[in-house]
Amino acid sequence: DQQVKQNSPSLSVQEGRISILNCDYTNSMFDYFLWYKKYPAEGPTFLISISSIKDKNEDGRFTVFLNKSAKHLSLHIVPSQPGDSAVYFCAANTYSGAGSYQLTFGKGTKLSVIP
Amino acid sequence: EPEVTQTPSHQVTQMGQEVILRCVPISNHLYFYWYRQILGQKVEFLVSFYNNEISEKSEIFDDQFSVERPDGSNFTLKIRSTKLEDSAMYFCASKGLAETQYFGPGTRLLVL
Repeated sequence: DQQVKQNSPSLSVQEGRISILNCDYTNSMFDYFLWYKKYPAEGPTFLISISSIKDKNEDGRFTVFLNKSAKHLSLHIVPSQPGDSAVYFCAANTYSGAGSYQLTFGKGTKLSVIP
Repeated sequence: EPEVTQTPSHQVTQMGQEVILRCVPISNHLYFYWYRQILGQKVEFLVSFYNNEISEKSEIFDDQFSVERPDGSNFTLKIRSTKLEDSAMYFCASKGLAETQYFGPGTRLLVL
């Protein structure tokens, strides 16, 4: 049951251009969304997040957009840099009660930024 | 900047052996988690721990798994009798009052 879907396993972008990574979800109970970046043999590193009450959040070169009616979010990276090359995971958070906020992850999109 | 640490970075064990994976969460965090990622698959939730007890666990987290916070800083995951299919990267995460979970670098477990 894929509640969080990242349909593009990979994406290649030229340095300096915009990278757009997409994520769809099915569970309407999700109330907080996060993007993590992961290098090989390392743990996921938090990048940016958005609450379900917002439709946009921006942090430097990174912007996350949320379209609740479409159950879709996207991460924009502008301008893309070679150091951005990594696997990007979309994750969704829901409060499950009794102090549990488990994350549900997508399968990830491998971004390659070409110099 | 505070970070989650995990030891060991790699562990190789024989099937049927017990393993303990260790984590030191960020010091003022209240919520602790274990996730795992089997090679080529997505990161999966195993268990959450809050107020010194398990708050939620997934179907993966069966009787072979247990978690413990033996002191004020460590958070451990024990697998009592490892199986081949337990081979994976295991990530510890912690969270404070804000929504964001912060992950450790992971322990790569290989069961032979």
